[in-house]
Amino acid sequence: QQQVKQSPQSLIVQKGGISIINCAYENTAFDYFPWYQQFPGKGPALLIAIRPDVSEKKEGRFTISFNKSAKQFSLHIMDSQPGDSATYFCAASRVDSSYKLIFGSGTRLLVRP
Amino acid sequence: DAGVTQSPTHLIKTRGQHVTLRCSPISGHKSVSWYQQVLGQGPQFIFQYYEKEERGRGNFPDRFSARQFPNYSSELNVNALLLGDSALYLCASSRKGQRPSNEKLFFGSGTQLSVL
Repeated sequence: QQQVKQSPQSLIVQKGGISIINCAYENTAFDYFPWYQQFPGKGPALLIAIRPDVSEKKEGRFTISFNKSAKQFSLHIMDSQPGDSATYFCAASRVDSSYKLIFGSGTRLLVRP
Repeated sequence: DAGVTQSPTHLIKTRGQHVTLRCSPISGHKSVSWYQQVLGQGPQFIFQYYEKEERGRGNFPDRFSARQFPNYSSELNVNALLLGDSALYLCASSRKGQRPSNEKLFFGSGTQLSVL
């Protein structure tokens, strides 16, 4: 059962462009929404995260936009660089659960020079 | 300081066999979680351990088991391997085993298991 739906599956952006990855969820019990970055041969690493009481969070070139009513959130990578080429996962954590993260299916980003 | 270390890096087994995967958390971290990442999908939660006690279990069959040792390292065991068990198995550690919203999870590079 996919609780966090992520799109697109893959994305190609020119250097300097904006990369946008979207996620949607159904469960209103989710209260924490991180994004992870994974390079080939490595484990996922936390990039940026947001809680639903905030509509936007920015850290450097990375911004999360959160729409609570639509149950959607997105990652924007400004001025995309070839070094940003990686797989990005959105995730969610439930307020009543636990310790586990529920991940989306991932987006492979390729930034062309 | 070393990050989360997992061994072996790669493993090839045949159907029906048993496998043991190992994880050493970051020094000072008392919680270990295990995730399964099938090719082309996101990681899926298997177990979390804190202070040697199982805290949570995902939707995996009883063929999957784990334990945590007094030094906080952990083993994931899978019995009666199936082709569908082929995946990257990730270990993550955190200091106190709290919710991901309260403390950061650090992932290892994983063990790539191939079942033939």
